[in-house]
Amino acid sequence: ETGVTQSPTHLIKTRGQQVTLRCSSQSGHNTVSWYQQALGQGPQFIFQYYREEENGRGNFPPRFSGLQFPNYSSELNVNALELDDSALYLCASSLDRAPLHFGNGTRLTVT
Amino acid sequence: EDQVTQSPEALRLQEGESSSLNCSYTVSGLRGLFWYRQDPGKGPEFLFTLYSAGEEKEKERLKATLTKKESFLHITAPKPEDSATYLCAVQNTGNQFYFGTGTSLTVIP
Repeated sequence: ETGVTQSPTHLIKTRGQQVTLRCSSQSGHNTVSWYQQALGQGPQFIFQYYREEENGRGNFPPRFSGLQFPNYSSELNVNALELDDSALYLCASSLDRAPLHFGNGTRLTVT
Repeated sequence: EDQVTQSPEALRLQEGESSSLNCSYTVSGLRGLFWYRQDPGKGPEFLFTLYSAGEEKEKERLKATLTKKESFLHITAPKPEDSATYLCAVQNTGNQFYFGTGTSLTVIP
């Protein structure tokens, strides 16, 4: 059983740039969720995709967008990066909507 | 507004000293409450899901319970390897998830 994998593990971007983060779901899982975790904080829900459609969104602006592909892998795109976007971005996959399995995240630094 | 509050923020225990972590929540409609363990530099590791008041789940030295307003994670006779941050999260009927800021547990040998 392959777990959730995220790439890249670390990334440094400049304010105003755009970034794409990737996630491969655990085999058999049809739901993927994305979270932002600032240092010393709990993860904050960005959005969730179920069978390629967004079916839940947290309080994040539209410059945070995503995709889920037919093989249930997913991307998180962030446009017009701001310094406050620096965080650990976590992907979680599950079967039938309940988040159970997280990847180890992508550490994004915006300078 | 849906929210989760965890207490204490940090907890230091001697090995074998049992204790409880608290998760208080307000949610428009509870679909599930989740407990996770997170080690430094890693993603959260799933521990338990609770769906309704009165439900209990156990795994090794951990036991999770749920009421209508809060959940407890009881740790019995902890070992140093139980040291981690423990996160609580709720899922509402709108499929939105809210995490607490976690309890950082340190178990001293």
